[in-house]
Amino acid sequence: DSGVTQTPKHLITATGQRVTLRCSPRSGDLSVYWYQQSLDQGLQFLIQYYNGEERAKGNILERFSAQQFPDLHSELNLSSLELGDSALYFCASSRKGGLGYEQYFGPGTRLTVT
Amino acid sequence: DQQVKQNSPSLSVQEGRISILNCDYTNSMFDYFLWYKKYPAEGPTFLISISSIKDKNEDGRFTVFLNKSAKHLSLHIVPSQPGDSAVYFCAASAEGNMLTFGGGTRLMVKP
Repeated sequence: DSGVTQTPKHLITATGQRVTLRCSPRSGDLSVYWYQQSLDQGLQFLIQYYNGEERAKGNILERFSAQQFPDLHSELNLSSLELGDSALYFCASSRKGGLGYEQYFGPGTRLTVT
Repeated sequence: DQQVKQNSPSLSVQEGRISILNCDYTNSMFDYFLWYKKYPAEGPTFLISISSIKDKNEDGRFTVFLNKSAKHLSLHIVPSQPGDSAVYFCAASAEGNMLTFGGGTRLMVKP
């Protein structure tokens, strides 16, 4: 158990809909990262927040947004969903602000868009 | 353009023998490298890391080797155990920037 929690575990929704994925980092971790893993692909970095502020952006679509709240939990919002958005979405956390340090991953949310 | 590549999608090893997982990178700015292990239906688990100022880092049965001139790193698992069967990802970062992951190698350790 990494100490990072993600809800929900599974999500099935229709195209055009909007969903929110939630992540709680490990106790004491200030950085939260979001990743997408599609079928047959590696982990793609989406976005990082550090202590409530956006720190870095990766391959995140404009239809996607995220935020980190004062209690340090984070939410990833996906809107106007398309079939191609079906994937595993992982959240990770770390104590340090830099992206290149050890990150601890949650169990992921499997999103299926039908 | 894949900056981090794991060219072997799968590897099968006998229990007790050595497992060697390989990773190549193209970005010479990468200065920190990590290995993660992933079981089905779970998130990746951090295993071991190495800074570019070193060429070897060891932690129990796991050793990571870095060859900067060849832009190559490898993870050695000795001895391999059936519980090591998982997908292994290497990742790299440059100056504390985003982690770039390889596509993963599925390791199967046969009893």
